[in-house]
Amino acid sequence: EAGVAQSPRYKIIEKRQSVAFWCNPISGHATLYWYQQILGQGPKLLIQFQNNGVVDDSQLPKDRFSAERLKGVDSTLKIQPAKLEDSAVYLCASSFLFGTTSTDTQYFGPGTRLTVL
Amino acid sequence: AQSVTQLDSQVPVFEEAPVELRCNYSSSVSVYLFWYVQYPNQGLQLLLKYLSGSTLVKGINGFEAEFNKSQTSFHLRKPSVHISDTAEYFCAVTRSSGAGSYQLTFGKGTKLSVIP
Repeated sequence: EAGVAQSPRYKIIEKRQSVAFWCNPISGHATLYWYQQILGQGPKLLIQFQNNGVVDDSQLPKDRFSAERLKGVDSTLKIQPAKLEDSAVYLCASSFLFGTTSTDTQYFGPGTRLTVL
Repeated sequence: AQSVTQLDSQVPVFEEAPVELRCNYSSSVSVYLFWYVQYPNQGLQLLLKYLSGSTLVKGINGFEAEFNKSQTSFHLRKPSVHISDTAEYFCAVTRSSGAGSYQLTFGKGTKLSVIP
């Protein structure tokens, strides 16, 4: 089966510019996650969707970050305006079950490497 | 709250030698533990997971991990490494979001370098 798809793979922007990332989860997966992975650190959850609803966005910097998952399939993560500290890899993951089980396996996409100059 | 500590940021090891990557967790409740591997320029891939039952868990690519509740550890081992095992390894623990769903908390990762 096809894995989690993300685009673009790389993006370089100037600070204060806007940027958007796209994710297509594995077909049939109800739960979608966006993570931020700063160099030298593990992934940090930004937002979790259950179908097209937000389950948890407590670690999303809402003054500049936004995300949506229209129709419960694809998702877009946007940063506006970008800051230097937003330089990171943005990972998308999906899981089959509704997210109410702690044993659910998450499948990760290849990520988008963002560099903010 | 759950947290994960990976004690070594980098581990160099010669090809065909054994390796152990250390992971300790803190949690006041029962946990589920995972090891993920990240190859260069790729996303994370699940190596293995501990949910319940036998404390020795076998995963892909010859890796295994042992859950030790008394020492709150979940160390990853491989008896003989290959060049292709060069990657970054992440230990993770589940946590409840408080909204009826579960999320992963990751450690900072350990970079394994296999030397020919």
